Amino acid sequence: NAGVTQTPKFQVLKTGQSMTLQCAQDMNHEYMSWYRQDPGMGLRLIHYSVGAGITDQGEVPNGYNVSRSTTEDFPLRLLSAAPSQTSVYFCASSPTGFGRGYTFGSGTRLTVV
Amino acid sequence: QQQVKQSPQSLIVQKGGISIINCAYENTAFDYFPWYQQFPGKGPALLIAIRPDVSEKKEGRFTISFNKSAKQFSLHIMDSQPGDSATYFCAATLQGAQKLVFGQGTRLTINP
Repeated sequence: NAGVTQTPKFQVLKTGQSMTLQCAQDMNHEYMSWYRQDPGMGLRLIHYSVGAGITDQGEVPNGYNVSRSTTEDFPLRLLSAAPSQTSVYFCASSPTGFGRGYTFGSGTRLTVV
Repeated sequence: QQQVKQSPQSLIVQKGGISIINCAYENTAFDYFPWYQQFPGKGPALLIAIRPDVSEKKEGRFTISFNKSAKQFSLHIMDSQPGDSATYFCAATLQGAQKLVFGQGTRLTINP
């Protein structure tokens, strides 16, 4: 049972490049979300999904896209990377969708130069 | 109204002492208040949580105190140990919503 798996662990992008951060969970959780963590700002919600085919925006969605074609996978796409997107990104999943029992991945550290 | 404010930003406590981290919120629709612990290079992990109809919850050395009228809640770590050194986040969930709102985090250091 791997839990929530995020790849890659580290990534350096040039401004304007695009990329996809991968997230997969093997717990059959319905709810999945993406957060970014920046110093002094806690974790801020980017996008979330309450099930396959259903996604919605969080607090800081601009510059990011998501899709949820399967229960297991919830990739986060950066359309045109900007230095302001330098951050640590966490994917999380939950079986109930009400904030209980969130399981977080180990994160992706992204640097945009 | 969806903010959760956490203090202090950093905290240094001697081994065996009590660590106290405070959070305040404005939105009375929040109905669940978890605390997360994060070690360097790792994702946050659920530590302990409380509902607003309970004033205190204790799990081992960790206690949440909840003051509904003041809209405040706090984490107390008794007999703090060096292994407790981590970043702690308080959070809250809106009633019927699907997302967590996090505080800014507190970096706790326990000196041996």
